[in-house]
Amino acid sequence: EAGVTQFPSHSVIEKGQTVTLRCDPISGHDNLYWYRRVMGKEIKFLLHFVKESKQDESGMPNNRFLAERTGGTYSTLKVQPAELEDSGVYFCASSPGRAPIRPDTQYFGPGTRLTVL
Amino acid sequence: AQSVTQLGSHVSVSEGALVLLRCNYSSSVPPYLFWYVQYPNQGLQLLLKYTSAATLVKGINGFEAEFKKSETSFHLTKPSAHMSDAAEYFCAVRTQAGTALIFGKGTTLSVSS
Repeated sequence: EAGVTQFPSHSVIEKGQTVTLRCDPISGHDNLYWYRRVMGKEIKFLLHFVKESKQDESGMPNNRFLAERTGGTYSTLKVQPAELEDSGVYFCASSPGRAPIRPDTQYFGPGTRLTVL
Repeated sequence: AQSVTQLGSHVSVSEGALVLLRCNYSSSVPPYLFWYVQYPNQGLQLLLKYTSAATLVKGINGFEAEFKKSETSFHLTKPSAHMSDAAEYFCAVRTQAGTALIFGKGTTLSVSS
């Protein structure tokens, strides 16, 4: 079974540009999460999808970030326009069940390292 | 609000020595607790999780953790370190009502021969 995949693995962009990160969850997983780790800080939650619906987006930093999950399959996270403080590693995770009914294990992808110059 | 504190950003041990990585949590309700490991250039991998069953939880690769409510702790241990255990370890908490994981800052484990 394929794990969570993320694309690209690295992205270097200039301040003010747009970047789109993609996450493909494990097949059949209803839940999809985005997290971010800024250098030297802890991994922080951004948002949670259940199928194609946003269940919780309380961690999204501001309206420059837009997440979508088309048809309840893959998800994209767009940053427009990117700022220096957006640099970090963006992780995607997925889990199978209908959280929070049961404590599903979240399976993480390898992350996308975003550098904004 | 829930939070996690990992004591020590960097722990160094010799091969064969005991590994002890400390995690304390704060939660107003019974928590679900997790330990994840990240090897270089890989994603986070679940080591073990506590979900209010047995307080001593055994995980993969010989790791285990004990939930101590009185101490609000969930320390990770392994009796004998291997070189392959060198990685970054994350403790995380999730409340029964929530969905997101709240992570500690991580502890990098170095193992020397």
